[in-house]
Amino acid sequence: NAGVTQTPKFQVLKTGQSMTLQCAQDMNHEYMSWYRQDPGMGLRLIHYSVGAGITDQGEVPNGYNVSRSTTEDFPLRLLSAAPSQTSVYFCASSYSGREGYTFGSGTRLTVV
Amino acid sequence: SQQGEEDPQALSIQEGENATMNCSYKTSINNLQWYRQNSGRGLVHLILIRSNEREKHSGRLRVTLDTSKKSSSLLITASRAADTASYFCATGNQAGTALIFGKGTTLSVSS
Repeated sequence: NAGVTQTPKFQVLKTGQSMTLQCAQDMNHEYMSWYRQDPGMGLRLIHYSVGAGITDQGEVPNGYNVSRSTTEDFPLRLLSAAPSQTSVYFCASSYSGREGYTFGSGTRLTVV
Repeated sequence: SQQGEEDPQALSIQEGENATMNCSYKTSINNLQWYRQNSGRGLVHLILIRSNEREKHSGRLRVTLDTSKKSSSLLITASRAADTASYFCATGNQAGTALIFGKGTTLSVSS
């Protein structure tokens, strides 16, 4: 089915470990973005991209890196995991940003 | 900082009643969007209203936008238990290249 696919669905990391959260879409969407959702905080924008090779920082970018080598994929890298990065992470995509976004089902990350 | 703020934070109603959620935002917008999130799931786009529109309907949903007051409301008519979810408003960031969300309204519809 067409949509936004996020992997893994669940992950437990130890403090200091690194990992990559994967996000892929097959709708030829140019706009992609990453969010984290914490209780009582809604969704906060981490990084976003408007096309291959173009990325920019959102509201809470510290501790995260992104790259966009293809239109389909937009991975989020945690360089050195910290307990404060325990959260649910969502990836979203849109064709042009002027219509609704399609969200993935999320990755629940716990850092111990 | 978050652009939109929803009000109320939580709302509990009976099946068949109407539910109204409000959203206020800070800066000028091109459009405002509403999303639904069922517990533990991803967000689903409900409706988008453009800055030159005042009202929009989709099924049992009615959205209004008042750009002079920088506010929007989402009305769900004849609520059902399946409408139990969190509802978020979102506007574009400064460049219109990503969404900025409010903290959401949690709606509980009991039968």
